[in-house]
Amino acid sequence: AQKITQTQPGMFVQEKEAVTLDCTYDTSDPSYGLFWYKQPSSGEMIFLIYQGSYDQQNATEGRYSLNFQKARKSANLVISASQLGDSAMYFCAILNSNSGYALNFGKGTSLLVTP
Amino acid sequence: GAVVSQHPSWVICKSGTSVKIECRSLDFQATTMFWYRQFPKQSLMLMATSNEGSKATYEQGVEKDKFLINHASLTLSTLTVTSAHPEDSSFYICSATIAGAGSYNEQFFGPGTRLTVL
Repeated sequence: AQKITQTQPGMFVQEKEAVTLDCTYDTSDPSYGLFWYKQPSSGEMIFLIYQGSYDQQNATEGRYSLNFQKARKSANLVISASQLGDSAMYFCAILNSNSGYALNFGKGTSLLVTP
Repeated sequence: GAVVSQHPSWVICKSGTSVKIECRSLDFQATTMFWYRQFPKQSLMLMATSNEGSKATYEQGVEKDKFLINHASLTLSTLTVTSAHPEDSSFYICSATIAGAGSYNEQFFGPGTRLTVL
């Protein structure tokens, strides 16, 4: 079974600073995919970034980058140059091969960006 | 990008009534749709996986007779909460995927439906 662990219930960061949101995972699948989603107070799930287990390079999407350490089974999200609009819940997720490739989500991290 | 809609966006109903939530893929055909439930300040939990034309596969602990899922076409899946009770109050989110699309099974999420049962 796949499992995602996010140990930071809440994080603060000052505007324009960088912040790292932690995510560790456990899976027995030889090939897997990891996702990060942002959920603002409106509830919509906004896709941020994807990392495949066999990708040679860490994924990057604009201000988002993924610090993928396969041996340590971690996939931390780094947000650079934080903006006030980054304040939201952030969820790490892994594809669940046992459920038709649905997503198993972590508990989430609430990020608050302060002026 | 691919767009998924949900209707209604919010609904308030009396205990004992049934509520139907629609999930539509607007500009693509979804081979699989997923239904998730999110209680306040919690994460998303998968309820069921739905493939067009076949019965849904429910996660352990989800009552299939209470949460009826119909996936009649490649663009529409419905979730009916039957005999709703206050404990069913939650945020219900669907997602749709295209098998084999791209290098991974990207999921496209609907905006969610907030259900409040009085």
